[in-house]
Amino acid sequence: AQSVTQLGSHVSVSEGALVLLRCNYSSSVPPYLFWYVQYPNQGLQLLLKYTSAATLVKGINGFEAEFKKSETSFHLTKPSAHMSDAAEYFCAVTLNYGGSQGNLIFGKGTKLSVKP
Amino acid sequence: EAGVAQSPRYKIIEKRQSVAFWCNPISGHATLYWYQQILGQGPKLLIQFQNNGVVDDSQLPKDRFSAERLKGVDSTLKIQPAKLEDSAVYLCASSSGTGRSSTDTQYFGPGTRLTVL
Repeated sequence: AQSVTQLGSHVSVSEGALVLLRCNYSSSVPPYLFWYVQYPNQGLQLLLKYTSAATLVKGINGFEAEFKKSETSFHLTKPSAHMSDAAEYFCAVTLNYGGSQGNLIFGKGTKLSVKP
Repeated sequence: EAGVAQSPRYKIIEKRQSVAFWCNPISGHATLYWYQQILGQGPKLLIQFQNNGVVDDSQLPKDRFSAERLKGVDSTLKIQPAKLEDSAVYLCASSSGTGRSSTDTQYFGPGTRLTVL
C-alpha cells in the first residue's frame, strides 16, 4: 500500500531564508506525487504535482519539488520565504497505473511559520 | 470561475444527534470527493462520486455515514448518529476528469468544521 511521511510537523524559518519541507513516499508501483497548501480556514490548494515527466517540478508561488526515486523523496523547496507562505503543507501520493481511481493519500502535514 | 462551495462552515452538535453537510462543486466537474480531516492529520477520502454514481466508498463508515449526489451536481454528506470521534473538518473537492485518472487536479472547498460534544 502507498503512503507518505512528512518529517517535521512544524518548521520555522526567517523571512528570506530557504524553505525545505520533507516528504518521503512508499509505493509498490511508480507514484504520482502532489504538494498542497492549506491556509487557515481555507480548503487545500494544489502547489505542484509530479506525474512521471520531468523530475524537477515547478509550482505556484515560487515553490518547486524534485522527485528522487533512489531516495523515495519529493521534498518541497522555495529559495526565499515570504510572510505569506505561512500555512500548512501536505504531501500526497496516488498510484500510477491503469485502473487507479486517483485517490489521494495524504501525509499528516507540516505547518510552516515565517518569522520577520 | 466560482470555486467549490460548502455549507455550513461550522457546526456544533451533541453526540447521537444527526448532521448534514452540503457541497456544490465547480460547474461542469463530473467527479466529487468527500474527505474527513481530523485535527493534526491529513485529509482522508470518505467517498468519491462520478456524476451521480459512487466510484469508491470503501472508507465510509456506512453504519452512520451516508452520502448522495442526486442529479450529478450537488452532494450531501450525513452523519447519524454522530460520535465524539467524528469531530473533524469535512472537505469537499471536485475535478473535471473522470475520477479514474491519477493526474486529475482536485479543487477543494473551504470545509465544514464539525464539533461533537
